[in-house]
Amino acid sequence: DTEVTQTPKHLVMGMTNKKSLKCEQHMGHRAMYWYKQKAKKPPELMFVYSYEKLSINESVPSRFSPECPNSSLLNLHLHALQPEDSALYLCASSQDWPGANTGELFFGEGSRLTVL
Amino acid sequence: AQSVTQPDIHITVSEGASLELRCNYSYGATPYLFWYVQSPGQGLQLLLKYFSGDTLVQGIKGFEAEFKRSQSSFNLRKPSVHWSDAAEYFCAGGGATNKLIFGTGTLLAVQP
Repeated sequence: DTEVTQTPKHLVMGMTNKKSLKCEQHMGHRAMYWYKQKAKKPPELMFVYSYEKLSINESVPSRFSPECPNSSLLNLHLHALQPEDSALYLCASSQDWPGANTGELFFGEGSRLTVL
Repeated sequence: AQSVTQPDIHITVSEGASLELRCNYSYGATPYLFWYVQSPGQGLQLLLKYFSGDTLVQGIKGFEAEFKRSQSSFNLRKPSVHWSDAAEYFCAGGGATNKLIFGTGTLLAVQP
């Protein structure tokens, strides 16, 4: 199994809603990532978890709250988002961290978020 | 500062023609370099990677890339493009910061 699975594929939410994005991998990878991608732009790193601990937070606003319940799961909790937060949110995993140097990142298909 | 540059925002080629997508990097030491492809509405898929050794790297889907230290380049090539190759292509580099730095991407269109 070489897949990273993200749910939901599409999400529409209002600015007062609370929702969550979910990511799952069963490759035994110990590092998991959240990226944000706006249209026609490269992915931007948001968070990195290594061995279920938050290793990197790229100064992401607190309305985005990551959670790593176990080594296979990664959540992104959303609350009080703004319309400019509308984007494709990509989850990725790698064998280890630091993994970007020496390993491959496996990406999910993303969750398309629209904030009204 | 470390950076990855893709000079071409958009490229159109005819099906069956050869392809070269450009990527330049700026790193203090030799970085680890990657090419990813993204189809519309999809995640990114790794095409190939360079860490060290042979400067000509073979990847999936018939792609290859050549690392040229003298030109700080890692260009992606394919001898004959198929319509299914139409997608966004991202060059990326990893270095001392342990973070993957993406280029701005090149959108490839394939004409019949």
